[in-house]
Amino acid sequence: AQSVTQLDSHVSVSEGTPVLLRCNYSSSYSPSLFWYVQHPNKGLQLLLKYTSAATLVKGINGFEAEFKKSETSFHLTKPSAHMSDAAEYFCVVTINFGNEKLTFGTGTRLTIIP
Amino acid sequence: DAGVTQSPTHLIKTRGQQVTLRCSPISGHKSVSWYQQVLGQGPQFIFQYYEKEERGRGNFPDRFSARQFPNYSSELNVNALLLGDSALYLCASSPGVRGQFFGPGTRLTVL
Repeated sequence: AQSVTQLDSHVSVSEGTPVLLRCNYSSSYSPSLFWYVQHPNKGLQLLLKYTSAATLVKGINGFEAEFKKSETSFHLTKPSAHMSDAAEYFCVVTINFGNEKLTFGTGTRLTIIP
Repeated sequence: DAGVTQSPTHLIKTRGQQVTLRCSPISGHKSVSWYQQVLGQGPQFIFQYYEKEERGRGNFPDRFSARQFPNYSSELNVNALLLGDSALYLCASSPGVRGQFFGPGTRLTVL
C-alpha cells in the first residue's frame, strides 16, 4: 500500500519569497512521486515527477523537488513566488504494478501575499 | 495537440438517476483512468483501463462502472445516484510511462 501526507493544509508566502510545500510518503515498494497543481475551477496540471532517476527533479514554472529516501520526503520548492502560483498543490504517489493508480495527498493551498 | 477532453462540463441529476460521463484521451494514449474529487479533498482513484481492459479498480461500489472503446475513449457510468456522488469527476490519460494528464473534469451535482 502507498500513501502521502502533506504536512500543511495552507501555506502563505509573500510575492518574491521562497516557497516550500512539504510531503512525506509511505510505500512498500520503490515509488514514483509527482506534484500536481490545480487552479480554481481547472483540472490538474503535472508540475514534475520522480521515477527513480535523478533525486533532484526540475519541473515547470521554476518548481523543483528533491526525493530523499532516508527521510521519505518529496518536498516542493520554488526560489521566488509569483502571484500566478496561487493554487492547490497535490503530492501524489504510485507504484506501477500493472496499473497506474495515483494516490493523492489532501492538498496544500498556496496563497501569495502581494 | 488537443489535451484530454471530457463531456459534459456540468451535470445536475436527482437521487436515484443514472449518469454517463465521457472522456477522450490525448491522441496516442492507450490508458484512461477515472478519479472522483469531492470538494475540499484530493482525487480518489475509481478505475483504470488499458487497451479496453480494466487494469485497476478503487474502493467504489458496484454502482460505478466504466468501459473503454476501440478508439481509447472511455465512459464512466454511475447508477442509483446518491447525494454523496456529487463531485468533480476527472479523467486522465497516459502514454504508458508514469505520469498522467488530466482533463478539466465534469462537475456532477446530485439533488
